[in-house]
Amino acid sequence: EPEVTQTPSHQVTQMGQEVILRCVPISNHLYFYWYRQILGQKVEFLVSFYNNEISEKSEIFDDQFSVERPDGSNFTLKIRSTKLEDSAMYFCASSQTSGGLGTQYFGPGTRLLVL
Amino acid sequence: DQQVKQNSPSLSVQEGRISILNCDYTNSMFDYFLWYKKYPAEGPTFLISISSIKDKNEDGRFTVFLNKSAKHLSLHIVPSQPGDSAVYFCAARDSHGSSNTGKLIFGQGTTLQVKP
Repeated sequence: EPEVTQTPSHQVTQMGQEVILRCVPISNHLYFYWYRQILGQKVEFLVSFYNNEISEKSEIFDDQFSVERPDGSNFTLKIRSTKLEDSAMYFCASSQTSGGLGTQYFGPGTRLLVL
Repeated sequence: DQQVKQNSPSLSVQEGRISILNCDYTNSMFDYFLWYKKYPAEGPTFLISISSIKDKNEDGRFTVFLNKSAKHLSLHIVPSQPGDSAVYFCAARDSHGSSNTGKLIFGQGTTLQVKP
């Protein structure tokens, strides 16, 4: 069964450093998403991406964040200058459609710890 | 942002009995609802969904009921099994017009424990 994969599974970084989280969505999916879950809190939407551009972003997704689909298979989330409060599980998801019966399938997540 | 609420943080049931997980929402524009199951250190796994044009959807042991007038949905698991022990998230989406970006709004989750 096709699945969304994410690398790395864990990332520890120093505050102020740049991190890139990588995702390989399901191959025939067209819509891509990043969510995060701070420990003990709910899963929060960060950004949706379609046709090589952002279709929606949340208030969390400020100028420190960017997304890219560099090669037609990978989907990346970059945090330019990490803050302590960026520590969270980051989940990538993909779907065939954005509306209707379009189910989002999630990857296993990357646990980011900012020290 | 409390558009989707799961008011019970935890639920414990005996194996073989019914588990009922509840979810309330406030945004009347939501037209698609999903339930995800999550184990620790894993991503959410899709379980079952329902469109707002229906009031019930069934898949094996899992049934989701939607009451649009009450803005309430519930997930029934019958019979419950110990392997069902996990965190269950309700999520909702507004697919209308310019809101149709796929963004999901999640509830806080309910931890289900099924005792053998």
